[in-house]
Amino acid sequence: QVRLQESGPGLVKPSQTLSLTCTVSSGSISSGDYYWSWIRQPPGKGLEWIGYIYRNGVSFYNPSLESRLIISIDTSKNQFSLKLSSVTAADTAVYYCARRDGQRLLHDSWGQGTLVTVSS
Amino acid sequence: DIQMTQSPSSLSASVGDRVTITCRASQSISTYLNWFQQKPGKAPQLLMYAASSLQSGVSSRFSGSGSGTDFTLTISSLQPEDFATYYCQQSYSTPLTFGQGTRLEIK
Repeated sequence: QVRLQESGPGLVKPSQTLSLTCTVSSGSISSGDYYWSWIRQPPGKGLEWIGYIYRNGVSFYNPSLESRLIISIDTSKNQFSLKLSSVTAADTAVYYCARRDGQRLLHDSWGQGTLVTVSS
Repeated sequence: DIQMTQSPSSLSASVGDRVTITCRASQSISTYLNWFQQKPGKAPQLLMYAASSLQSGVSSRFSGSGSGTDFTLTISSLQPEDFATYYCQQSYSTPLTFGQGTRLEIK
């Protein structure tokens, strides 16, 4: 069973860039028909899809975040990453990485999530 | 963007009850609809995909139905571990979007 683990700073200052990495284990990020997603959840609120990337580097972003967002993939490290620039308090959330099955169009494996707080 | 609206937003029920949660899409999404369960402090867990397909390892007391714009998730006989928040999510088009969630509480 593939496992995903988010890592990165838990506190980011306003106007700075939020950077997170998801490390995939017990499976290759380059194998199979999978997209690698980021999804976030502000405290006490619902889920918001941020974007996902395929193993060939093709990415799809939520238009609401696209101007500030870069998702990248490093197949040699079995990792993919998120960079969100010009953050504000509204970007405070638990950030999840997840695997999306490209055939069945579902997210079947998730990381445990990491809380990122935007505050000075 | 496709808007997903769940009802009710919260629900109180007892162990053994049959419960139905509804999800409505702002446009037709065929059967590109997934259901997740989330418990406090945990990542969402996939329950159903393609509207009515049960994810491997999920109890058969969960079932889903619907197509087009209207969908339901039914729990046939509530168990203590089912008290959680449930989300629908459309996979028809990007941006992928979720319902606002239905919180299922113990009566």
